[in-house]
Amino acid sequence: EDQVTQSPEALRLQEGESSSLNCSYTVSGLRGLFWYRQDPGKGPEFLFTLYSAGEEKEKERLKATLTKKESFLHITAPKPEDSATYLCAVKPNFGNEKLTFGTGTRLTIIP
Amino acid sequence: GAGVSQTPSNKVTEKGKYVELRCDPISGHTALYWYRQSLGQGPEFLIYFQGTGAADDSGLPNDRFFAVRPEGSVSTLKIQRTERGDSAVYLCASRQAGGPTDTQYFGPGTRLTVL
Repeated sequence: EDQVTQSPEALRLQEGESSSLNCSYTVSGLRGLFWYRQDPGKGPEFLFTLYSAGEEKEKERLKATLTKKESFLHITAPKPEDSATYLCAVKPNFGNEKLTFGTGTRLTIIP
Repeated sequence: GAGVSQTPSNKVTEKGKYVELRCDPISGHTALYWYRQSLGQGPEFLIYFQGTGAADDSGLPNDRFFAVRPEGSVSTLKIQRTERGDSAVYLCASRQAGGPTDTQYFGPGTRLTVL
């Protein structure tokens, strides 16, 4: 069974203090790994898709990286508006459309 | 439309009642998904439609849950004889099947509360 574990569960940072969120996964053949941002009371908002080990993608202060066992979401010089829950999900190969999500990391950026 | 829309945004019902939740996918997206998210958890897969047919309903928890997509666009998730444990946010997502990415785009969700 596919599994996704995210750590830490919660993270509080000062504005401008860079850090990384971790997503460890086990999947029977990875088709893609996805990062989403979720604000309270909203649906998940797509950030990145990574398909192969060594791949990196960037968007503003966020950079996602992928290895064969885990993914990192690096946040550089965060701002209060980056506060949200960040969700990681995996999609297996072989025609399975189901995304398996982790429980998320709740990030709080303190001004 | 610009994004996935879901109605109602909130639904409060009593135990034992029947509810319907609606999802309008992004225009042109042939793949549609339903997920359920409990407080403090990540979304959990319920069912996947490709066109009008349910291609994978392995996540539906029991036979009280049913979903349809009769014309290959709008979908309705139906829950019979609701129980308090059904309280959660029900999320819909859509994807352009056969497109260049596997990305699923989510709607804002329907918060279901069963009293």
